[in-house]
Amino acid sequence: GAVVSQHPSWVICKSGTSVKIECRSLDFQATTMFWYRQFPKQSLMLMATSNEGSKATYEQGVEKDKFLINHASLTLSTLTVTSAHPEDSSFYICSASGESNQPQHFGDGTRLSIL
Amino acid sequence: DAKTTQPNSMESNEEEPVHLPCNHSTISGTDYIHWYRQLPSQGPEYVIHGLTSNVNNRMASLAIAEDRKSSTLILHRATLRDAAVYYCIPLGTGGFKTIFGAGTRLFVKA
Repeated sequence: GAVVSQHPSWVICKSGTSVKIECRSLDFQATTMFWYRQFPKQSLMLMATSNEGSKATYEQGVEKDKFLINHASLTLSTLTVTSAHPEDSSFYICSASGESNQPQHFGDGTRLSIL
Repeated sequence: DAKTTQPNSMESNEEEPVHLPCNHSTISGTDYIHWYRQLPSQGPEYVIHGLTSNVNNRMASLAIAEDRKSSTLILHRATLRDAAVYYCIPLGTGGFKTIFGAGTRLFVKA
């Protein structure tokens, strides 16, 4: 079945560092990918919609300059957490779908810990 | 986006059927009903989806009410590996932005 690969799965870094997370669709093309954040014991919160070849669409309350999204090809979207601080520590998850109304395929998530 | 209501948690015994309900009374006529589940420390996993008719796949069955205002995910024989948070999500045709509610945490007892 369709697979979405997310990398890295786990990262620890110092406060002030920028961290890049990659999301790849391995066997289908995805014009749109989604980025979520999940805090412990909470549901997934949609952060932004990543659009291939154009700017990402951010949900209300999500800082676009803090969470940079690039979707340069039909199989790759990246999320960069710039100047990360401890409050940015969370579980980040991406998803992609080949077509509207078809199931989303999710990556396994990236656990980000900022010291 | 259509709102959904699911029980916070449910409990089942292993190898017994589980019926997970979802109310989506504000669903539009063209929204599909998708179900996903999330195991601990993993990304969500697609389970099943449907529009009007009941649906079956290798993982589960989906029973959709005639008025489409509710649906029930049926796991025919729960296993310990089915312990997860289950999310019911109406998904429109205009786009496929998937918004997650609180979901139902399923506990399976051996």
